[in-house]
Amino acid sequence: GNSVTQMEGPVTLSEEAFLTINCTYTATGYPSLFWYVQYPGEGLQLLLKATKADDKGSNKGFEATYRKETTSFHLEKGSVQVSDSAVYFCALFFNTDKLIFGTGTRLQVFP
Amino acid sequence: GAVVSQHPSRVICKSGTSVKIECRSLDFQATTMFWYRQFPKKSLMLMATSNEGSKATYEQGVEKDKFLINHASLTLSTLTVTSAHPEDSSFYICSAADRGNEKLFFGSGTQLSVL
Repeated sequence: GNSVTQMEGPVTLSEEAFLTINCTYTATGYPSLFWYVQYPGEGLQLLLKATKADDKGSNKGFEATYRKETTSFHLEKGSVQVSDSAVYFCALFFNTDKLIFGTGTRLQVFP
Repeated sequence: GAVVSQHPSRVICKSGTSVKIECRSLDFQATTMFWYRQFPKKSLMLMATSNEGSKATYEQGVEKDKFLINHASLTLSTLTVTSAHPEDSSFYICSAADRGNEKLFFGSGTQLSVL
């Protein structure tokens, strides 16, 4: 079946460190891929998305590239800030209107 | 931007009682709302999809008599956990799609603890 696997957290980094949160997926067909972020006390927000192979989604300094050959959509940021501390969810979406989420990865950034 | 308000954010109840969770779209009309549940260290799992004015569509394995969903208006959907038991303790989150189903907005979630 369709599923998303993302690295377990928490990920703890110092400010300005490089961030990678791994996400791989299993799917029959070609889903759209998303990263959602949940800041403390807030709802999930769409961070970025990619709808086809080799697309790169980017927002707020975060990037992720849709890699069909490795079925991956890793989230990266070159220099994290304390304000990036949140839970990040990788998700895939098919035309069945169902979002399938990963387990979420908590990022903690310290000054 | 669009906002979805979910209330309460945290609830503790006794076993056997019922708990209602509300999900409101504050500045848009949500024709479709989704309810998710997350167990510790597990993925967010879709429980049901509700369309305004019609019965909710439940995912396989979700008890419809246990988790009552009402979507009576274009801005409000409710999830009622009936006769709650400790195994119902979980994080519940709603999301709402705007009319064109082009965007999905999430509530902040409800942490339910059943004693």
